Amino acid sequence: AQSVAQPEDQVKVAEGNPLTVKCTYSVSGNPYLFWYVQYPNRGLQFLLKYITGDNLVKGSYGFEAEFNKSQTSFHLKKPSALVSDSALYFCAVRDTRIGTLTFGKGTMLLVSP
Amino acid sequence: GAGVSQSPSNKVTEKGKDVELRCDPISGHTALYWYRQRLGQGLEFLIYFQGNSAPDKSGLPSDRFSAERTGESVSTLTIQRTQQEDSAVYLCASSLVATSGDSNTGELFFGEGSRLTVL
Repeated sequence: AQSVAQPEDQVKVAEGNPLTVKCTYSVSGNPYLFWYVQYPNRGLQFLLKYITGDNLVKGSYGFEAEFNKSQTSFHLKKPSALVSDSALYFCAVRDTRIGTLTFGKGTMLLVSP
Repeated sequence: GAGVSQSPSNKVTEKGKDVELRCDPISGHTALYWYRQRLGQGLEFLIYFQGNSAPDKSGLPSDRFSAERTGESVSTLTIQRTQQEDSAVYLCASSLVATSGDSNTGELFFGEGSRLTVL
């Protein structure tokens, strides 16, 4: 079975400060890892993914994520937060042998002016 | 259209009625997924279609839920004898099967969802 944990229901940061949204995963084989963002009353938008190669992955809107195999983590980061980054963020994992994508429960990011 | 299209965007129904939700995936995407998102919660996997393979129905919560897909195009999610706990946003997503070996590395593209309210 595959699973994802997002330990924080909510993350609050001030605009201009760095942000981190945490994600850990569990799979039997090798993971494919994804981050998505959901704005109010909208569908999910893809931010970035890790498939193989460089552990630091860069994505949309200045976000990046670091794959850490030993810690089974894939934390989302951004050097300088914007108020417009406020949204619900989902981490997701796919075991390389399974087609389905399993999502975490989501972390609400609140960026204050 | 360029994206995943879902209809209706909103559906209010009475307990016990049947509902059908429709999803038009991005043209050329062979994989199609249905997820359910209850208020304030994460995404719950329902069903996955990949090409002509048998669908993965492991996430369907009860036999009141079923889904079909016509070839590699439209999918319909049907909920029979709706219950109040079925109230949720039903999200459809599609993806290319970008393969690394036998594995699907493609990201999912989501529709805006169908919000179902069962009174």
